[in-house]
Amino acid sequence: DQQVKQNSPSLSVQEGRISILNCDYTNSMFDYFLWYKKYPAEGPTFLISISSIKDKNEDGRFTVFLNKSAKHLSLHIVPSQPGDSAVYFCAASEGSETSYDKVIFGPGTSLSVIP
Amino acid sequence: DAGVIQSPRHEVTEMGQEVTLRCKPISGHNSLFWYRQTMMRGLELLIYFNNNVPIDDSGMPEDRFSAKMPNASFSTLKIQPSEPRDSAVYFCASSHTFGSGTRLTVV
Repeated sequence: DQQVKQNSPSLSVQEGRISILNCDYTNSMFDYFLWYKKYPAEGPTFLISISSIKDKNEDGRFTVFLNKSAKHLSLHIVPSQPGDSAVYFCAASEGSETSYDKVIFGPGTSLSVIP
Repeated sequence: DAGVIQSPRHEVTEMGQEVTLRCKPISGHNSLFWYRQTMMRGLELLIYFNNNVPIDDSGMPEDRFSAKMPNASFSTLKIQPSEPRDSAVYFCASSHTFGSGTRLTVV
């Protein structure tokens, strides 16, 4: 049973527009959520995270929103750039930013930003 | 900071052979994770260590898989004997930082 779901395998967005990647989870014990970006032949790169006590975290062009009651989070990229084209993984953990616990990954969404 | 260092980057081996994957975590990080990525199952957590102690190995698929962390600067993932279905990319992560992975092909 998949505890972290990313229902869109792929997404195409025009350069300069907003990219919205969605993620749903089933385990109510998850308290810490992460987004990773992955290019081919490289390991996933940590992008941004959010703890369950917040509903929004922003870092430059990247914003993550958390709706804990709906068990849903999303990653917004504004404006999207061609270099953002990659696979984005949503991940969840029962740990925290400082207390590392097992991290469960979603299947990923492949984002293509069209120039 | 050299990041998480995994070796080898690529490994091709024959079915039945022993395979050892290596990982050097980032100095000062107390948690180390081994993941496997396949097309069918995505990124799966195999095992993780805190302060060199295995905490959860429930993701290890079979007894053919074993992992050790003899000290804070080194970990190994061993498959013995290897099978074609073990072909995958194996990642080591130090806290939330991933290495570049080892692409294993078992023929």
